[in-house]
Amino acid sequence: AQKITQTQPGMFVQEKEAVTLDCTYDTSDPSYGLFWYKQPSSGEMIFLIYQGSYDQQNATEGRYSLNFQKARKSANLVISASQLGDSAMYFCAMREGQMDSSYKLIFGSGTRLLVRP
Amino acid sequence: DTGVSQDPRHKITKRGQNVTFRCDPISEHNRLYWYRQTLGQGPEFLTYFQNEAQLEKSRLLSDRFSAERPKGSFSTLEIQRTEQGDSAMYLCASSPGDGLFDEKLFFGSGTQLSVL
Repeated sequence: AQKITQTQPGMFVQEKEAVTLDCTYDTSDPSYGLFWYKQPSSGEMIFLIYQGSYDQQNATEGRYSLNFQKARKSANLVISASQLGDSAMYFCAMREGQMDSSYKLIFGSGTRLLVRP
Repeated sequence: DTGVSQDPRHKITKRGQNVTFRCDPISEHNRLYWYRQTLGQGPEFLTYFQNEAQLEKSRLLSDRFSAERPKGSFSTLEIQRTEQGDSAMYLCASSPGDGLFDEKLFFGSGTQLSVL
């Protein structure tokens, strides 16, 4: 079974509007962390935001916020006031705590976001 | 903090040849990871080092693949007898090694391998 599912292969958004990128995850580990990374065409993975399984509040980092719904196992990324530079691939990733001692991240298949001027 | 450095950026080789990639992690980062990414997909975990010890290898890492991290600094990933299916972006990442769930990975720009 997929650990991380991103159901939107591609998304369009108008510049200055908000957009939500979906991510659902599957784990039986009570301790885990969720990450979002951005990958521009240059190829480098850029960390955006982190949410811990025990965090009570949704994470925010500037224009990025994470809509964390633990019971539904979803961790959607919200980008507010989209900019042309936000056009990129976006990956959701998870690190399991007790069940995985390697600290590796498991990635979803990504969503390609295109911001229209 | 000079970031994670990978060399070369691009590698074109013929099927059956051996190739070696190098990764220089951020200084003093104890954890180092190799991932493989094919077009339109997310990175897939290959292997993990804690200092010089290789602690986990994915089933994706066939016996043609070998990775080392001598002295716990830079790492090399070697692919022997390359196949066309090995064509992918090979990403290296490092992390400090003092965190738990919240420790983010810092990625290099990757090595794009094309096997003809």
